Amino acid sequence: EAGVTQFPSHSVIEKGQTVTLRCDPISGHDNLYWYRRVMGKEIKFLLHFVKESKQDESGMPNNRFLAERTGGTYSTLKVQPAELEDSGVYFCASSPRRLEVDTEAFFGQGTRLTVV
Amino acid sequence: SQKIEQNSEALNIQEGKTATLTCNYTNYSPAYLQWYRQDPGRGPVFLLLIRENEKEKRKERLKVTFDTTLKQSLFHITASQPADSATYLCALPAGGGNKLTFGTGTQLKVEL
Repeated sequence: EAGVTQFPSHSVIEKGQTVTLRCDPISGHDNLYWYRRVMGKEIKFLLHFVKESKQDESGMPNNRFLAERTGGTYSTLKVQPAELEDSGVYFCASSPRRLEVDTEAFFGQGTRLTVV
Repeated sequence: SQKIEQNSEALNIQEGKTATLTCNYTNYSPAYLQWYRQDPGRGPVFLLLIRENEKEKRKERLKVTFDTTLKQSLFHITASQPADSATYLCALPAGGGNKLTFGTGTQLKVEL
């Protein structure tokens, strides 16, 4: 069974440019999450999809970030325009159920974003 | 506000010894706590989940305890091996099952 896959693995862009990150969750997982780790800090939640619906986007930093999950399969996270403080590692995770008892999250390898 | 603290200092131990990592939390009443392992350049990988009504849980060389009175979990690796070297993260559920909140992680290095 394929795990959670993310593209690209690395991205270096200039301030002001646009970047789109993609996540393919494990097949059949309705729940998809985006997290981010900036240098020296803990992994922080960005948002949660159930199928194509956003359930919780309380962690999105600002309106420069836009996440979509059309059709309830893969998801994209677009940053436009990118700023220096957006640099970090962006993780996608999926789970078959909500993160209640006995449910673990399966993480992708992450996309390292560097804004210069 | 809710807060999770893990040993910020890296932990270096000798092969064969038991590694003990600590996770303390405040302003939470979690139904469970999870531990993940993260290797450089990789995403976190789930290791163990312990529920609030469980005192201890084991999986092979791993043991987790959960003290809801102290608001603390301890993560033990017995007979440690160099391959156990990684960053270990504790995570608590938040937002009604919408998300996990992570600690900063503790880097473990097991030396020969």
